[in-house]
Amino acid sequence: ETGVTQSPTHLIKTRGQQVTLRCSSQSGHNTVSWYQQALGQGPQFIFQYYREEENGRGNFPPRFSGLQFPNYSSELNVNALELDDSALYLCASSSERGPGGDNEQFFGPGTRLTVL
Amino acid sequence: GESVGLHLPTLSVQEGDNSIINCAYSNSASDYFIWYKQESGKGPQFIIDIRSNMDKRQGQRVTVLLNKTVKHLSLQIAATQPGDSAVYFCAEINNTPLVFGKGTRLSVIA
Repeated sequence: ETGVTQSPTHLIKTRGQQVTLRCSSQSGHNTVSWYQQALGQGPQFIFQYYREEENGRGNFPPRFSGLQFPNYSSELNVNALELDDSALYLCASSSERGPGGDNEQFFGPGTRLTVL
Repeated sequence: GESVGLHLPTLSVQEGDNSIINCAYSNSASDYFIWYKQESGKGPQFIIDIRSNMDKRQGQRVTVLLNKTVKHLSLQIAATQPGDSAVYFCAEINNTPLVFGKGTRLSVIA
């Protein structure tokens, strides 16, 4: 176990709805990154939060947004859900922004989102 | 554009044999590479990493080889065990977040 927790574990929504996913980072970590993993694919970077500010964003539309709280936990919000948003959403925490060097990213188990 | 990919989508190996999983990368500026293992229902788990100033790094039963000339990365698993069955991803970094490949599914035959 990495110490990174995510909730809920599974979620079913319909097109057009909004969803909020949550992530608690490992103790001592101030950076959280979110990834989308479609079935049979590798994770794709959505964005990263470092000390409550967005620190880098991947190729995802603005309807994907996030927050990081003072305790470094984080939320991923997706508005106007589309069928293609169905995926496993992973968060990863690290001790400093960026995954290089000793700043290993520890992944949570993910939230499986199904959009009908 | 830059991409990270894997040569083989699936690999079946007899228990006790060695496994070799390959990965090609296209960003010659990438200076750090990581191999992850992802078991069903779990997030990716760090296995081993290597910096671009090295060509080989060994861990417990695993070895990563980096060939910068041909931009190729490989993961070798010695004495493969049933618990090694999973999807393996390589990821590259160059002052950017992790860029993952599609993954190779390793199946261990008992």
